Amino acid sequence: GAVVSQHPSRVICKSGTSVKIECRSLDFQATTMFWYRQFPKQSLMLMATSNEGSKATYEQGVEKDKFLINHASLTLSTLTVTSAHPEDSSFYICSARSGGGGNTIYFGEGSWLTVV
Amino acid sequence: DQQVKQNSPSLSVQEGRISILNCDYTNSMFDYFLWYKKYPAEGPTFLISISSIKDKNEDGRFTVFLNKSAKHLSLHIVPSQPGDSAVYFCAASVSGGYQKVTFGTGTKLQVIP
Repeated sequence: GAVVSQHPSRVICKSGTSVKIECRSLDFQATTMFWYRQFPKQSLMLMATSNEGSKATYEQGVEKDKFLINHASLTLSTLTVTSAHPEDSSFYICSARSGGGGNTIYFGEGSWLTVV
Repeated sequence: DQQVKQNSPSLSVQEGRISILNCDYTNSMFDYFLWYKKYPAEGPTFLISISSIKDKNEDGRFTVFLNKSAKHLSLHIVPSQPGDSAVYFCAASVSGGYQKVTFGTGTKLQVIP
């Protein structure tokens, strides 16, 4: 089946620094990638939708200057958490929809971010 | 505004019995529905999907039923196995293009050996 890989799986960074999380579709071209955040015991919260070659569309309440999303190629999207604060500590998950109008979305393994 | 709802936060079922997970939606534009299984600290795994042109889709032990008039879908797992214990998310989207997927709040299934 389709595979989406996220890296790193765990990262610890100091408050005030920036951290980048990568999301790659390994065996298909992803025209659309999604970034989610999951708080403990809560559902997945969509942060933004990223389309290859264009600016990401952010959900209401998500700061686009804080969570920078780049979808430079059909197989790679990156999420950069800028000037990280402890409250940004969370589980971040990406997903990708295959091109050609495919409907199934495949998820990455998730990335644990801890800001100290 | 929760457009996809899973009203049961948890469910316990005996091994070998049927597990039924329910999901309701409010947006009549949704025409594609998916179920995902999620273990703690892992990304969701796609299980099964159904298009609005169907009312049933079956894949092995998993069957999804869609009732469009009631805006309701359900996932049946039979027979349930201890390895099925996880959180199950229902999701819905408008098919094609760049449409985002909206997730329910999840139901934690525990299959008791």
